[in-house]
Amino acid sequence: KAGVTQTPRYLIKTRGQQVTLSCSPISGHRSVSWYQQTPGQGLQFLFEYFSETQRNKGNFPGRFSGRQFSNSRSEMNVSTLELGDSALYLCASSLTGGDNEQFFGPGTRLTVL
Amino acid sequence: QKEVEQNSGPLSVPEGAIASLNCTYSDRGSQSFFWYRQYSGKSPELIMFIYSNGDKEDGRFTAQLNKASQYVSLLIRDSQPSDSATYLCAVNRYDSSASKIIFGSGTRLSIRP
Repeated sequence: KAGVTQTPRYLIKTRGQQVTLSCSPISGHRSVSWYQQTPGQGLQFLFEYFSETQRNKGNFPGRFSGRQFSNSRSEMNVSTLELGDSALYLCASSLTGGDNEQFFGPGTRLTVL
Repeated sequence: QKEVEQNSGPLSVPEGAIASLNCTYSDRGSQSFFWYRQYSGKSPELIMFIYSNGDKEDGRFTAQLNKASQYVSLLIRDSQPSDSATYLCAVNRYDSSASKIIFGSGTRLSIRP
């Protein structure tokens, strides 16, 4: 069974730009969660999508948004990029989400210059 | 108080010994507990999950849960150099009717030959 895939793997952007990251979950998994990982803050929960609906949200500004498609693939968007948005963005796939086991993709490394 | 607390380490253990990693959590309503291993530059990999009080063994790994003390631990027997990594403790938390996974900041484990 194929694992979680994320594209692109690496991205370099400048301040003020916007970016869209993509995540394809494990086949059959309907929940996708997004996390931001930085050396100083660790793994921070962004949001979770299940059946095309945002079910839970972390404490991030509205510049961070996401969506999920009918095939469970998910995208997250960050608008008006700031230097502090430089991080590893991870998505995690789960059968039904919530308190079920999550499996992470390889991540997208975003650098904002 | 952080929701999920771990000693950041580094924890240095000789090869062949038992490594003991600890985690405390603040939400008494948490029901699901996970241990992830993360190698430098890689994404987290799920190695154990536990839902009930007591011990759960899987190969060289044993997860221990004590809900009364709000404490979960991971024991690694016969430690190998390949076990050198950061170990993340994760716990579910309920917000309204939705559950999400909260991660600790991780313990860096170093196995010395």
